Amino acid sequence: DIVMTQSPDSLAVSLGERATINCKSSQSLLSSSTNKNYLDWYQHKSGQPPKVLISWASTRQSGVPDRFSGSGSGTDFTLTISSLQAEDVAVYYCQQYFSAPLTFGGGTKVEIK
Amino acid sequence: EVQLVVSGGGLVQPGGSLRLSCAASGFTFSTYWMTWVRQAPGKGLEWVANIRQDGGEINYVDSVKGRFSISRDNAKNSLYLQMNGLKAEDTAFYYCGGGGGYRSDLWGQGTLVTVSS
Repeated sequence: DIVMTQSPDSLAVSLGERATINCKSSQSLLSSSTNKNYLDWYQHKSGQPPKVLISWASTRQSGVPDRFSGSGSGTDFTLTISSLQAEDVAVYYCQQYFSAPLTFGGGTKVEIK
Repeated sequence: EVQLVVSGGGLVQPGGSLRLSCAASGFTFSTYWMTWVRQAPGKGLEWVANIRQDGGEINYVDSVKGRFSISRDNAKNSLYLQMNGLKAEDTAFYYCGGGGGYRSDLWGQGTLVTVSS
């Protein structure tokens, strides 16, 4: 199984400041046939279903504010919130869908400092 | 409007069974892979199982293999999760999702399953 390791576990950032979350996979998520990285970033708020922010490591989903961006390839990935807003308080997860069983990172809790 | 409505959660004793249902509307259900994901209290998200459009490929996380069974009825636009031999560690909110391939774009509200005596 592919192990996804996120860091940090939690993050407190001032409003308007940058938040950076890292995700590392135990094997490459880059497909040689599609040249795509099989990784999504999710935002999960308490009592709500998870929401996909970024797919294929760097493609922002429709309707997601452009302050959210994803980068990285192979085994190392980053989610960046360029200017933290109050509504961004949530837990963020990376998930690989390169192979089954699909696996999530442990999550990063983002709070306001 | 795209909707995934999950039902069937509740309180069950250890060793018991429960069947979750996920009713889909607003999209062509039969063309989507479908997935179950759960979140135990105070824990992170855990992928549970997925099923291909035609039911011809099914995958499970190791911890539920042999106890849980995912299925779908494309005529009824419905996804199911039959849970047998339930354990306390299966206590969680269960969410259903759908998408192209293994990834899921669409997610429904969760249902709480509590396994306790």
